[in-house]
Amino acid sequence: SQQGEEDPQALSIQEGENATMNCSYKTSINNLQWYRQNSGRGLVHLILIRSNEREKHSGRLRVTLDTSKKSSSLLITASRAADTASYFCATDWDTSGTYKYIFGTGTRLKVLA
Amino acid sequence: DTGVSQNPRHKITKRGQNVTFRCDPISEHNRLYWYRQTLGQGPEFLTYFQNEAQLEKSRLLSDRFSAERPKGSFSTLEIQRTEQGDSAMYLCASSSKTRQANNEQFFGPGTRLTVL
Repeated sequence: SQQGEEDPQALSIQEGENATMNCSYKTSINNLQWYRQNSGRGLVHLILIRSNEREKHSGRLRVTLDTSKKSSSLLITASRAADTASYFCATDWDTSGTYKYIFGTGTRLKVLA
Repeated sequence: DTGVSQNPRHKITKRGQNVTFRCDPISEHNRLYWYRQTLGQGPEFLTYFQNEAQLEKSRLLSDRFSAERPKGSFSTLEIQRTEQGDSAMYLCASSSKTRQANNEQFFGPGTRLTVL
C-alpha cells in the first residue's frame, strides 16, 4: 500500500499560472521528497525537505511541510508547458534502517500553452 | 553518463517466460533499490540492497521474483514464470551512504515490461 496521497489527482492550468499540489502521509518521517516524472520515464528528484524544516525553495519551486498535519505542499510558480508531468511525494520510513521511500499516487499536471 | 542506468529499456515477453533486468547504480552509491510502477500509480518499493546484502523485501516480491547484487555494484531482478499482472515499469534507484542524512535516491529510466 502507498503511504502518501497527492491532491488533486489531476490539475490543468494555463502557462504562467501557479500550480499547487498537496501530499498527505500516515507515519512519522525523517524527510519528504518531491519527484517529477514525465510520461513513461524515470523520476527526477526536485526537492527534499527534512522533518525539522517547514519551508524550502528551489528556483520556481516552494515546498512546505507540516508534520503536525502530516502534509506537504509543492508550489510551482509561473508554470511553463515543460512543467507538464506527474508529481509524486515520497516519504522515508525508517523502520529498520533501510531508508526506503514510500510514494504517493501522484498529481498529473498539465500546463496549457 | 554517471547516472543510474537500466537495461533493457523495454521488454516484451510471453506469459510463462523468465525475464531478467539489470541496473547499474551510480558508482559510489552503496544502496540500491528496486521499485515497480503500474499505470497511474506511484512507484512501489520491492527490495533494497546495502552493498551486496539484500536487507529488505516487500511482500509484493513473490517467490517468482529474485534480486541479486553479487559484488555490491550492479543488480539484477529476475521474474520467473511471468504473468500478465507483472506488466509494469521496473525502476531502480541508488543512494549514497555519505548522504545518509538525506538519503536522496537517484532513479534510472526504468525497464518497461509487457507480458502478453
